[in-house]
Parts: sequence; structure tokens; C-alpha cells
Amino acid sequence: KNEVEQSPQNLTAQEGEFITINCSYSVGISALHWLQQHPGGGIVSLFMLSSGKKKHGRLIATINIQEKHSSLHITASHPRDSAVYICAVRSGGNEKLTFGTGTRLTIIP
Amino acid sequence: GAVVSQHPSRVICKSGTSVKIECRSLDFQATTMFWYRQFPKQSLMLMATSNEGSKATYEQGVEKDKFLINHASLTLSTLTVTSAHPEDSSFYICSARDASGTNYGYTFGSGTRLTVV
Repeated sequence: KNEVEQSPQNLTAQEGEFITINCSYSVGISALHWLQQHPGGGIVSLFMLSSGKKKHGRLIATINIQEKHSSLHITASHPRDSAVYICAVRSGGNEKLTFGTGTRLTIIP
Repeated sequence: GAVVSQHPSRVICKSGTSVKIECRSLDFQATTMFWYRQFPKQSLMLMATSNEGSKATYEQGVEKDKFLINHASLTLSTLTVTSAHPEDSSFYICSARDASGTNYGYTFGSGTRLTVV
């Protein structure tokens, strides 16, 4: 079992739909990151969370430390949101990130 | 915000040759740079961690003599794939952490797609 599990693996939705991507982890963490990887390969860091909730534009990320679970929400989804979304965790003083396998999101106009 | 510039973005080379990939932090000092490899439709796999002025730490199974990493300054780290073979064809991407304070945010390069023919 991977230390970081994401669901769903693939998600296709219509433009405008509310999107939720889930991440569960099995280790103690000091921070959780949500990353966005575009078709060309470049990766953008969306959020770094250690507790609670963060919002940036149409993106919202939440984390429940007790349940070892995080969600990434996209409101009013748009075709340009189509990308692979990756959850990654950092444990303790270790700088290394452990990655989930990613969720491939496709938004249809 | 913090930017990591990675070059080249795409390279095709012949078997047996070496390829150098550069990552530069443009507006911050990166004491630590991470090098990843990614196969199609798979997640990132950490190859090595480089620290400025010291030897890189390689992950298990990664050949240090094949994947040479140099982190000579706080703004530049390089990965050289030596004697490249077709099985080295992959997407390579670097990531740096800002050395200032306790910000553990990571900034990624744009990646290098290597094709060995």
C-alpha cells in the first residue's frame, strides 16, 4: 500500500462542475502539498498545508490531520483546469516529498 | 514568486553520449535541489538530493556514476546523464526549496524531456 493514495485516478467533468480530489496518507506529516502538472510536464505548487483550509481563487484545499486526509476542490471548473493534480507529503524534518500517483482531470467545454 | 529555470526543455541525443541538464534558482538561494525522474503516466521518482557545496545523496537503485549531480553554487545545480542509453529516455525535473527561513515551499523547474536514440 502506498503511503499516499489519491482518488479518483481519472476524472472527467463538464465545464462549471464542482471538482473534488481526495488524498489519504498513512504517515505522520509536517506538511502536505498539492501540485498541478500540465500536459507539457511543468509542475506548479498550488498549496502547502499543515492544518485547516486554504483558498486561492477557485481552488480550495483542506486537511484533516486526525483523519490523515486532504481534499482539493475546484469551483466553477474550466477546461484550462485540465491537468494532473498531485498530492505530496513531507514527514518530520525530512525535506523529501512522498508523492501520490496523481489524479488526471479533464474538463470538457 | 520563486522561479526555477530548467534547461534544456527537450533534448534528443545518441546512445553513448552525455547530456547535461541545468536548474537555476532565479530569485532565491537554493541550498537543496531535488532531482526527479518521471515515466509516462507515473508519479515523480526522486533520484537524488543535492546540497550546495557537498556530495549529492542518491536514492537506492540510482547509479551515482551514471547520473552525475553538481551543486556548485546556491543558484545552480546540474544533472549529467553519462553514456546515455535508450532506457534513460524519460522526463527529468528539478525542484528547489528556498533557503530562507522555515518556508518549506517547493518550486519546480519546467522539466527536460530526454530522448536517447
